[in-house]
Amino acid sequence: EVQLVQSGAEVKKPGESLKISCKVSAYTFTNYWIAWVRQMPGKGLEWMGIIYPGDSDTRYSPSFQGQVTISVDKSISTAYLQWSSLKASDTAMYFCARHITGGVDVWGEGTTVTVSS
Amino acid sequence: QSALTQPASVSGSPGQSITISCTGTRSDVGGYNFVSWYQQHPGKAPKVMIYDVSNRPSGVSNRFSGSKSGNTASLTISGLQAEDEADYYCSSYTSSSTLGVIFGGGTKLTVV
Repeated sequence: EVQLVQSGAEVKKPGESLKISCKVSAYTFTNYWIAWVRQMPGKGLEWMGIIYPGDSDTRYSPSFQGQVTISVDKSISTAYLQWSSLKASDTAMYFCARHITGGVDVWGEGTTVTVSS
Repeated sequence: QSALTQPASVSGSPGQSITISCTGTRSDVGGYNFVSWYQQHPGKAPKVMIYDVSNRPSGVSNRFSGSKSGNTASLTISGLQAEDEADYYCSSYTSSSTLGVIFGGGTKLTVV
């Protein structure tokens, strides 16, 4: 069974850095794009960016360009989403997902990030 | 780029059928057969209900069906059940974005 297992909930202070992870299993990691999706409290789903693990080709939504960094470690079939300086407005649930044309076919369970002083 | 347009809410009674629309443009919904639908219960990850306009993943009830006409895709749920109460999102391939994909704003389905 294809699975995307995300790292656990995080509580951080404004200005801190953070890297959350998404480990995949039961398929060839380098053959599918991985997407990161944000869901702010009580709001809808937003595409943040996608990465192709085969060659690390990465594309960001304009809203997130320069705000986050998406990366992969092929050796451990893991994708990452990181922030260098968190803001309170980064408080949200973050999902990784296996990206297919037009959407997603498998979702991770989500990682809650809370940024508060 | 603006999100695909979905109604904010729909409601129905148990046993009834409801349809949720997802309206885009020729650059996304109308131009390609790559529309997906997701169900999301509170605090949970979304679940794929339909992909490529009308295909159901293994394990998804046949009460869920998808279709498309012009620039509008639709998700129909027949024989409504209490557990269908959730948020529903559509997504589509788009030629207007570097990501190549766009979400709808989401629809809250209430089973009354």
